[in-house]
Amino acid sequence: DTGVSQDPRHKITKRGQNVTFRCDPISEHNRLYWYRQTLGQGPEFLTYFQNEAQLEKSRLLSDRFSAERPKGSFSTLEIQRTEQGDSAMYLCASSFRDYRLAGTGELFFGEGSRLTVL
Amino acid sequence: LAKTTQPISMDSYEGQEVNITCSHNNIATNDYITWYQQFPSQGPRFIIQGYKTKVTNEVASLFIPADRKSSTLSLPRVSLSDTAVYYCLAVYYGGATNKLIFGTGTLLAVQP
Repeated sequence: DTGVSQDPRHKITKRGQNVTFRCDPISEHNRLYWYRQTLGQGPEFLTYFQNEAQLEKSRLLSDRFSAERPKGSFSTLEIQRTEQGDSAMYLCASSFRDYRLAGTGELFFGEGSRLTVL
Repeated sequence: LAKTTQPISMDSYEGQEVNITCSHNNIATNDYITWYQQFPSQGPRFIIQGYKTKVTNEVASLFIPADRKSSTLSLPRVSLSDTAVYYCLAVYYGGATNKLIFGTGTLLAVQP
């Protein structure tokens, strides 16, 4: 399978613990996104990487959240001191932007990592 | 980023054609209309996109009138497996990120 993969698929943790999610994008994709989704809502943008550079962060991304993409390949999203409000599905997506072509850059999403904070 | 408005939910029966209309009154000149589909516990999946007139692929058709202030996603002969949330987005691919801004989408329920 050459799609976007996320690990773990499910994580249950106690409030105050740290959790880390990993995303492996499609290999040739230069852009990587993290989204968060709660029940009944559409995905909310968290942050974006162009290769290894983190170019944009949403105000939703508090100081307890940190994302990295070393070497421009896989990415990790860490949540420190988890709170019950952090319970959500965390989605990773990747895309390839070809500046020569208009209307390109479709996002490919992984199946998500579901976090439950007790 | 253009705001899109679509119905919260729709019901249909197997074998029927389903049309989901999306309004985007303030769409920008360089925005593309893009639709994603999401099944429970999965990430969204790209369905179709267009700039104007009609676009058709193996899954759906997209109709965009000349003024581009609305668009209609058409799903021919739906089946139970088409039950999902459908998101309409106006996407500007020339931006620094081309991040997607999702609304709440349209929950399509297909019944036997």
